Amino acid sequence: QKEVEQDPGPLSVPEGAIVSLNCTYSNSAFQYFMWYRQYSRKGPELLMYTYSSGNKEDGRFTAQVDKSSKYISLFIRDSQPSDSATYLCAMSAQGGSEKLVFGKGTKLTVNP
Amino acid sequence: DGGITQSPKYLFRKEGQNVTLSCEQNLNHDAMYWYRQDPGQGLRLIYYSQIVNDFQKGDIAEGYSVSREKKESFPLTVTSAQKNPTAFYLCASSKRDLYSNQPQHFGDGTRLSIL
Repeated sequence: QKEVEQDPGPLSVPEGAIVSLNCTYSNSAFQYFMWYRQYSRKGPELLMYTYSSGNKEDGRFTAQVDKSSKYISLFIRDSQPSDSATYLCAMSAQGGSEKLVFGKGTKLTVNP
Repeated sequence: DGGITQSPKYLFRKEGQNVTLSCEQNLNHDAMYWYRQDPGQGLRLIYYSQIVNDFQKGDIAEGYSVSREKKESFPLTVTSAQKNPTAFYLCASSKRDLYSNQPQHFGDGTRLSIL
């Protein structure tokens, strides 16, 4: 079993839709969870950063972490064409550990 | 503006040649990282450095070398021993905190191709 699994998509939705992106993981030591957005030919941009279980909201974006199920989600409300990108989940273990484990990314297209 | 600058954007390597990718940051971050991104493979860690004059191998260090002589700079050399160097190379940096894990911030990458 891979440490982090992420459905590669591609995912295509109409403008205004609610998008749900997900990752599962196997290492119960993971405590820090991140979502990055990557546009074509660009570096990943940090979207959300959460510690342990719970929800975090930032504008149209909500990150959820369920450590009991080893499952994290990113929800995008009122999706826009500018949200079209590849979304990467990433996670790491104890404090002071700099090594991130990434999912392979989900490619999202929002159609006007 | 604070950020991470990678250069060049595109690089071509001839057979048997070593090439060096530049990464500079002005975020005053202690830790710096190099990743390789291939289609369908996600990001894989090549090398990372937590402080000046110290660095550690990541998961795919063979055929690569790094140096960390200055806090702001972490160049990556792709040697001729790397038989499949064609990829998108990403540099990242983060604050270093012993009690929490700080997120990494990325540059815009260098695309390396073989001539």
